[in-house]
Amino acid sequence: IAGITQAPTSQILAAGRRMTLRCTQDMRHNAMYWYRQDLGLGLRLIHYSNTAGTTGKGEVPDGYSVSRANTDDFPLTLASAVPSQTSVYFCASSDSTSGSTGELFFGEGSRLTVL
Amino acid sequence: GQNIDQPTEMTATEGAIVQINCTYQTSGFNGLFWYQQHAGEAPTFLSYNVLDGLEEKGRFSSFLSRSKGYSYLLLKELQMKDSASYLCAVLDSNYQLIWGAGTKLIIKP
Repeated sequence: IAGITQAPTSQILAAGRRMTLRCTQDMRHNAMYWYRQDLGLGLRLIHYSNTAGTTGKGEVPDGYSVSRANTDDFPLTLASAVPSQTSVYFCASSDSTSGSTGELFFGEGSRLTVL
Repeated sequence: GQNIDQPTEMTATEGAIVQINCTYQTSGFNGLFWYQQHAGEAPTFLSYNVLDGLEEKGRFSSFLSRSKGYSYLLLKELQMKDSASYLCAVLDSNYQLIWGAGTKLIIKP
């Protein structure tokens, strides 16, 4: 693996079902993020983690949960999917330590459709 | 509230120069980023400005004026592969990234 990997790349899901989007990075970045991207809107932050063991809420956290058990993995869970959660989800990581620009490295995205 | 404004769409000709503007109103400022995103792909980092002035990187340059809350991305010698969306994002006082909706750049032969 080189960089940041998301799975699945695409999924169609029935409303009410539980879904976990997986994200793994091998760059040893301390910070990780989950964004959703919808047409006409900027990237919106769902949840973030500044370091393993800690998480925080972003701009649109409702209906989503995350965990950060270790440095590499940052899964996003939809407990009970609703159609408004149809979106493209991007996982990202950054080295937010001193001296770094903090640029984000993105996964390839997970396209989720909730029917 | 916090706000990033950039044009929704721009069209330019292959070989020409295009300037994509970004204005921002945020709670504090700790840097401005430009990302490129091809259709159906992930955003990729282009540039970072934290001080006023022009940063040049090959065919791409980015300018920042903190006093005016303004930045632009300048693309020279346009190529068809430059057709993409260009995202402006500002790091606010809490080190949270505020994103613009992106500018879709269409390059015509």
